[in-house]
Amino acid sequence: QSVLTQPPSASGTPGQRVTISCSGSSSNIGSNTVNWYQQLPGTAPKLLIYSNNQRPSGVPDRFSGSKSGTSASLAISGLQSEDEADYYCAAWDDSLNGHVVFGGGTKLTVL
Amino acid sequence: EVQLVESGGGLVKPGGSLRLSCAASGFTFSNAWMSWVRQAPGKGLEWVGRIKSKTDGGTTDYAAPVKGRFTISRDDSKNTLYLQMNSLKTEDTAVYYCTTDLPDSSGYYPSYWGQGTLVTVSS
Repeated sequence: QSVLTQPPSASGTPGQRVTISCSGSSSNIGSNTVNWYQQLPGTAPKLLIYSNNQRPSGVPDRFSGSKSGTSASLAISGLQSEDEADYYCAAWDDSLNGHVVFGGGTKLTVL
Repeated sequence: EVQLVESGGGLVKPGGSLRLSCAASGFTFSNAWMSWVRQAPGKGLEWVGRIKSKTDGGTTDYAAPVKGRFTISRDDSKNTLYLQMNSLKTEDTAVYYCTTDLPDSSGYYPSYWGQGTLVTVSS
């Protein structure tokens, strides 16, 4: 049981916009920033979004993040086949002395 | 370019021990906070623990499932991070990733990841 809650799956067709939600509590998302990670099949996770809505160099602007209260969202616009991957949210948790907590992951399928 | 290369994984019996290593390059290792994150087969990511830079105290933090059994250490002269795993359980079976953590306004987050090393605990 993950501390942060994500839907187990999401899907969309090429060109569509999809969003993935991440729900937490006041001790994690409610008081700290959220990161998002992309894990392509058979590879290590990669940082996709940091500080709620910042993209590391090289990440396309099709990917965007937002946060409101104790929830966060990852949006992918102009969906492409290569976006098919697992996506994880993460946040620092104050009730766990600054441990990092992850969501359970969302498997995105491009139909 | 940041590179993290884990090694030391393998098959170990329940109750056994294993030490993982992570060789780092492409950044100033001694200034970095480092973490281990694991992923059980077919499951999600689980933070294992971290070690701060020596300038920030060099202290360690561990997730509850591994506290008292796992020890994270670092050798800044060798740019290497370690994870000593004792009293291993079958539920410790996972790919173990080494990460370097970058700060933001809230704390330090896994940012760059190694390719991972598989640990299998089985009799």
